[in-house]
Amino acid sequence: AQTVTQSQPEMSVQEAETVTLSCTYDTSESDYYLFWYKQPPSRQMILVIRQEAYKQQNATENRFSVNFQKAAKSFSLKISDSQLGDAAMYFCAYRRGGGATNKLIFGTGTLLAVQP
Amino acid sequence: NAGVTQTPKFRVLKTGQSMTLLCAQDMNHEYMYWYRQDPGMGLRLIHYSVGEGTTAKGEVPDGYNVSRLKKQNFLLGLESAAPSQTSVYFCASSLPTGWNQPQHFGDGTRLSIL
Repeated sequence: AQTVTQSQPEMSVQEAETVTLSCTYDTSESDYYLFWYKQPPSRQMILVIRQEAYKQQNATENRFSVNFQKAAKSFSLKISDSQLGDAAMYFCAYRRGGGATNKLIFGTGTLLAVQP
Repeated sequence: NAGVTQTPKFRVLKTGQSMTLLCAQDMNHEYMYWYRQDPGMGLRLIHYSVGEGTTAKGEVPDGYNVSRLKKQNFLLGLESAAPSQTSVYFCASSLPTGWNQPQHFGDGTRLSIL
């Protein structure tokens, strides 16, 4: 069975600095997708960034980028120029490619605090 | 655009009571999901549906039932609520796998069982 592990329950970063959140996963599949979701205090689940396993290039969305290491099964999220609005719980998630369900498997989350 | 709408947003139940959570999506998505979120455990899949009239068990289905009578609606039922079902419940929807589109989430329902 696939698993997703986020080993940092909490992280803190100064405003305007850079922070990296870690995520590792375990799978025997070769076709899969990885996601980072942000959950602010409002409880919404907001998709931050996603990565297709078959793509070697790391995904980037404005200040958010990933370091995807397929062989190491690692998928870290880097937030540059951190802003107060980045404070939230961040979840890493995995989805099998193909298949018939699109089910997501989530990590336990990392709570990010941004200090002014 | 409404997206995924969950009703109600908050609810308090007594042990043994029953209730139904409603999820409605207006994006014509085939797939729908119910997750629960507990502290320190992330989101876990309860049940899901890949089309109208079909449902399947997820990771933690015990104590819950679901129905998908209409494509746009996915109902989650608790027949006899237990304190262990105190949680935040999220509904999500998506296009089928081949479309390579992410899931869209509702805003969650906070459910407390006393």
